This record gives sequence, C-alpha cells and structure tokens, in this order.
Amino acid sequence: EGQLVESGGGLVKPGGSLRISCAASGFDFSWWSMTWVRQAPGKGLAWVSSISSSGSHVHYEESVRGRFTISRDNAKNSLYLQMNGLGVEDTGVYFCAREEVGYCSVGTCEWFDPWGQGTLVTVSS
Amino acid sequence: DIQLTQSPSFLSASVGDRVTITCRASQGISSYLAWYQQKPGKAPNLLIYAASTLQSGVPSRFSGSGSGTEFTLTINSLQPDDFATYYCLQLNSYPRTFGQGTKVDVK
Repeated sequence: EGQLVESGGGLVKPGGSLRISCAASGFDFSWWSMTWVRQAPGKGLAWVSSISSSGSHVHYEESVRGRFTISRDNAKNSLYLQMNGLGVEDTGVYFCAREEVGYCSVGTCEWFDPWGQGTLVTVSS
Repeated sequence: DIQLTQSPSFLSASVGDRVTITCRASQGISSYLAWYQQKPGKAPNLLIYAASTLQSGVPSRFSGSGSGTEFTLTINSLQPDDFATYYCLQLNSYPRTFGQGTKVDVK
C-alpha cells in the first residue's frame, strides 16, 4: 500500500523560503510520479505541482511557477518542495501524494493515493 | 485550464438518506475523474477513480458515474461516518484541478 510522511513545515516571514519533504515507504518510490496538494485554512484542495518518476518531467500550478521547485531523490525515497518568495497566500497544509496509474475503460487512468498526513506552512510577519 | 464545479456546495442530510453530488467539467475529461472524502484535520481519502471504479475497501454504498463533462457521486443510505466534505479531481490534463467541495452535514 505505502506510506507517506511530510515534514519541514513551519512559520516563515513573507518573502522567505522553506523546503518541505515527503518520505516514502512501503513501495518502490522510483516507479511512481508524485504530487503536492495544498489546502489553505478553511478552504478546498488545490493541486500545486507534480513530478515524474525519474524527475525529468515537472508541472506547476500557475501561481507557484518560478517560485516553487519540486524535486525528488529516488535513492532516499524522498520528495521535496522548495518554496521561495513565500506570500501569505501560500499558507496552508501541504500534502504529498502518489500518482497511481491503472487500466480503465478509456485506457490508463491516474489518481492520487495514498496521501501523507500533511505539513503546515504558515507565512506571516 | 479545466474548471470543475460541484453542486451543491452544502448539503444537509439524515442517516439513511440517498445523497447525490454532481461535478461538472468546463470541457470533456473522458473518465479521468476521482472522488475524495475529507474529514477535518485529515488527509483526503480516495473513494472512486476512473469516474466509476470503487477503491478497494470503500463501502459499496458509494458509487460514481458519468463521463465527458458531467459526473455524480452517490451515497446510498448515508451512515454517520459519511458526514464529511467531498471533492472531485480531474486528471485529464495539467493543471490538475479540484472541485470546490461539497460539505455534507447533519440535518
């Protein structure tokens, strides 16, 4: 099944930087694409970024492109999100998730599962 | 970008009720849709993937249907553990997008 555990969240001032991590266990991490999803306090879920299994393909949500960098270390079974130029709008719980792939009626389908428990990032002066 | 619109945003229901949540996509996404349940302070929990495939271990009272631009999540005979917020997610293209959520609370 697999387990994901995020860490590295905390309080940072506007304009500051933070790197959060996601440690994977119980599955072959190097096989799977991974993703970050965030949730602002009292708000809904928002996709942030995804990275392919090798790390060669990355995607970002428009508001974080150029400020955030997703990366991974397959030897360490770890996923990272380097966040620079943080603003108050970046405050929230950040979840990592595995991008599952399977056969479905239209060929292959994807979904996010499992998820970590999340790490809280607070941007405030 | 593909927008997902869930309706309703809030739903009051009683134990035993049949509940239906709709997710409409701004353009066709085939069957590349998943449904999640989230409780306060917890990570989302996968219910349905590929629009209609029930995730292993999820009770059979949950079902999903639809393709293209209109999808539904149905909960037959709502149970006390089902009071939560539900989200749809499209995985047809980047950026991935979620619906705004549907909160199901006690009537």
